[in-house]
Amino acid sequence: DAKTTQPTSMDCAEGRAANLPCNHSTISGNEYVYWYRQIHSQGPQYIIHGLKNNETNEMASLIITEDRKSSTLILPHATLRDTAVYYCIVRGRGTSWGKLQFGAGTQVVVTP
Amino acid sequence: NAGVMQNPRHLVRRRGQEARLRCSPMKGHSHVYWYRQLPEEGLKFMVYLQKENIIDESGMPKERFSAEFPKEGPSILRIQQVVRGDSAAYFCASSPSGTGQGDTQYFGPGTRLTVL
Repeated sequence: DAKTTQPTSMDCAEGRAANLPCNHSTISGNEYVYWYRQIHSQGPQYIIHGLKNNETNEMASLIITEDRKSSTLILPHATLRDTAVYYCIVRGRGTSWGKLQFGAGTQVVVTP
Repeated sequence: NAGVMQNPRHLVRRRGQEARLRCSPMKGHSHVYWYRQLPEEGLKFMVYLQKENIIDESGMPKERFSAEFPKEGPSILRIQQVVRGDSAAYFCASSPSGTGQGDTQYFGPGTRLTVL
């Protein structure tokens, strides 16, 4: 599976949009981009995923560049409860399809 | 629809004892995955199971660890003769199937194992 690169940390003001970047320059055509978050040692929470089109759900939006080498997770109106570690994961077919390979993620701190 | 359930939530064992961690997948899910998170480290995949089958155990330590997902009942992660280095949070995830494109894994709250 392709490797991802994320900033170590970022701060965001409450009520503002949080834009979390992720680079995955070696992504293959059949690999998906997944986003999870982990709030203070809780179980990881699924946020959103996409293949090549932009996606939106009740939690967030996912913007994938046309060449698919990078993506951005957007939390439209960050709240204090969005403080968490956010993981960008590339997941593909084959024998590794079952496993999610978590990196270090981005520690997001939402401040009042 | 209840989420993934794990029990116990906290487990304390002395060195040399056995630890059994249970995971009940979401209703309708037949695929289970176990992950481990050591203190101050990231989540690492351990094993992927379907009912009565181990699909991928590439992340399982070679000794003392085993996992099963019987036809009836929860998935069990078993650690024999625990050592202090086994102290970690163990998370279970489930998905409806394992091969569908975009098939999503949903995680449980985890079991925190402490080895004294």
